[in-house]
Amino acid sequence: AQRVTQPEKLLSVFKGAPVELKCNYSYSGSPELFWYVQYSRQRLQLLLRHISRESIKGFTADLNKGETSFHLKKPFAQEEDSAMYYCALSGQGGSEKLVFGKGTKLTVNP
Amino acid sequence: NAGVTQTPKFQVLKTGQSMTLQCAQDMNHEYMSWYRQDPGMGLRLIHYSVGAGITDQGEVPNGYNVSRSTTEDFPLRLLSAAPSQTSVYFCASSWGRGGTEAFFGQGTRLTVV
Repeated sequence: AQRVTQPEKLLSVFKGAPVELKCNYSYSGSPELFWYVQYSRQRLQLLLRHISRESIKGFTADLNKGETSFHLKKPFAQEEDSAMYYCALSGQGGSEKLVFGKGTKLTVNP
Repeated sequence: NAGVTQTPKFQVLKTGQSMTLQCAQDMNHEYMSWYRQDPGMGLRLIHYSVGAGITDQGEVPNGYNVSRSTTEDFPLRLLSAAPSQTSVYFCASSWGRGGTEAFFGQGTRLTVV
C-alpha cells in the first residue's frame, strides 16, 4: 500500500530562516515523489518532483530511499512561501494512483 | 487552453439529495481522479480512471460513483448526500505515467445540510 506521512500540520518560521518540511513514505516498489503547493485562493500546483532533481523557487528535495524520506528544504524562507504544502507519491508502472500526505501549512513571518 | 475545469464552484445540498460534480480536461490526459480535501486530513483519493471506460476506487469511495465515457470528462456522482460529504472536491488529470505532473481544477466547495 502507498502511504505518505507529513508529521507537521503547522510550521512557522521567520523570513530569512531555513525551512524544512518533512515527508516520509511507505511503498513496496519504486516510488515517484512530488511536492505540491497550494497558495491562498489558488489551485493546487506542482512544485517539484524527485526525478527532475531541480530547484524551484529556491526549494529542493532529495529522495532518500534508505530513510524513505523526501524532505523539502529552502535555505532562506520568504513571506511569499507561506502556503499549504503536500507531499505525494505514485508508483512507477503498476500503480497509477497519486496519494497525498495530510499537508503542512507553512507560515513565514516578517 | 482551459486545463481542468470543474463545475459548480459552490453547492449546497440537503441531506438525501443527489447531484453530479462535473470535471472536464482539454489536455487529452489518460488519467483523471477525484479528491476530497478536509481540514487536517489532506487530500484523499475518492475514485480514479486510467482511461475511458476504466475506473477504480481510491481510499474513500463510499457514497460516490464515477464513470468515464470519454477521455475529456470524469463526473463524480453523489448518490444520497450526507453531512459527512461536506468538503472541497478537486478533480485532477495527468498523462498517467509515473513522474508526470497532475493538473488540478479550482475545486468545488460542497455543503450538505
